[in-house]
Amino acid sequence: DAGVIQSPRHEVTEMGQEVTLRCKPISGHNSLFWYRQTMMRGLELLIYFNNNVPIDDSGMPEDRFSAKMPNASFSTLKIQPSEPRDSAVYFCASSLSGGAGEQFFGPGTRLTVL
Amino acid sequence: ILNVEQSPQSLHVQEGDSTNFTCSFPSSNFYALHWYRWETAKSPEALFVMTLNGDEKKKGRISATLNTKEGYSYLYIKGSQPEDSATYLCARRGSNYKLTFGKGTLLTVNP
Repeated sequence: DAGVIQSPRHEVTEMGQEVTLRCKPISGHNSLFWYRQTMMRGLELLIYFNNNVPIDDSGMPEDRFSAKMPNASFSTLKIQPSEPRDSAVYFCASSLSGGAGEQFFGPGTRLTVL
Repeated sequence: ILNVEQSPQSLHVQEGDSTNFTCSFPSSNFYALHWYRWETAKSPEALFVMTLNGDEKKKGRISATLNTKEGYSYLYIKGSQPEDSATYLCARRGSNYKLTFGKGTLLTVNP
């Protein structure tokens, strides 16, 4: 199994630009999570999906952030417009709901907004 | 306790030392406690998932205990090795599948 796949691994963009982060969960997993990791706040949950449906988006910072999961094998996190304070590492994780809930993390996308 | 808290924030030990760290969490609506190991420039890897009060889990030299009534878990490393150097994260899961993470304990094992 390839594990959780994220792309791109690194993204550098200018303030005001749209950024799209992508995630492919582990095949068969039906829960998907987007996290943001910063020095100040640690690992924060932004949003999570169960069976492709957003269940809790209370961690999404503001309207500039949106996430979609059009099918069981793909999710996107979009920031539009991006700001320097969005610079962070964004992790995607997947799990099998109904089990122990162990989450498997992708390698992360390091985003730098100039 | 409202949040998941870990202590100490960082720890330096010598190779061969045994060590332990603490995770404190809200005990109400508790479902599971997760421990993750996070090496620099990598992604977090699951170590243990514990659900029952009094649970003890072990993987090699690493073990963990759980007290759900008072809301804490301990992670122990016996005979630390340099390759154990990492950030150890704990996360509490409530009645949904959402994990709330602590900020981690950064362990450095000096050869």
